[in-house]
Amino acid sequence: EVQLVESGGGLVKPGRSLRLSCITSGFSFGDYGMNWFRQAPGKGLEWVGFSRSKAYGGATEYAASVKGRFIISRDESKKIAYLEMNSLKSEDTAVYYCSREMAVLGYVYGLDVWGQGTTVIVSS
Amino acid sequence: DIQMTQSPSSVSASVGDRVTITCRASQGIGTWLAWYQQKPGKAPKFLIYSASSLHTGVESRFSGSGSGTDFTLIISSLQPEDFATYYCQQTNTLPPTFGGGTTVDMK
Repeated sequence: EVQLVESGGGLVKPGRSLRLSCITSGFSFGDYGMNWFRQAPGKGLEWVGFSRSKAYGGATEYAASVKGRFIISRDESKKIAYLEMNSLKSEDTAVYYCSREMAVLGYVYGLDVWGQGTTVIVSS
Repeated sequence: DIQMTQSPSSVSASVGDRVTITCRASQGIGTWLAWYQQKPGKAPKFLIYSASSLHTGVESRFSGSGSGTDFTLIISSLQPEDFATYYCQQTNTLPPTFGGGTTVDMK
């Protein structure tokens, strides 16, 4: 069974850092791009960033709202994707989801598998 | 960024009703459009890609259409488990962006 399980969320003070993990199983991790999304309380879905598959060198891209503060990485041997969040702000408070890309030749059709989400609260 | 606008923002419907949700892109995106269903406290569920292709395991009462800037999601006969919020997402251009969501609730 294909599964994504996020962990690492919690309550953190503004300006601090937090690292989320997305533990994957049931598929060939290296063959897939992995994305992070977030959803603020009562709001819609917002893309945070992605790490491309091994075939594309694990290249990363980020939303403007997090660029320079957040870093996405992946451990191919452990099949884990990470979201390192630095200089956290109150507006980063959200449920964070990792998800798997459904892509062919680098063209992304959508996100076909999602984790259950982990909650990050940034507050003093 | 490409803006995605969904309408209506909410719709009240009964079991068995036909429900239509529209999504408009601020610029042409071909058929690079996906639809998701999300229930409260749960992760989104992938429904449709390439505007009209049903993801594996998704019930055939869901259908999608459109290209360019205008897209539609139709639930042909609403079932109790379909009460949820639906989001469109464009994957044509970075950053991938979502519509604001359409909540289907019980009339």
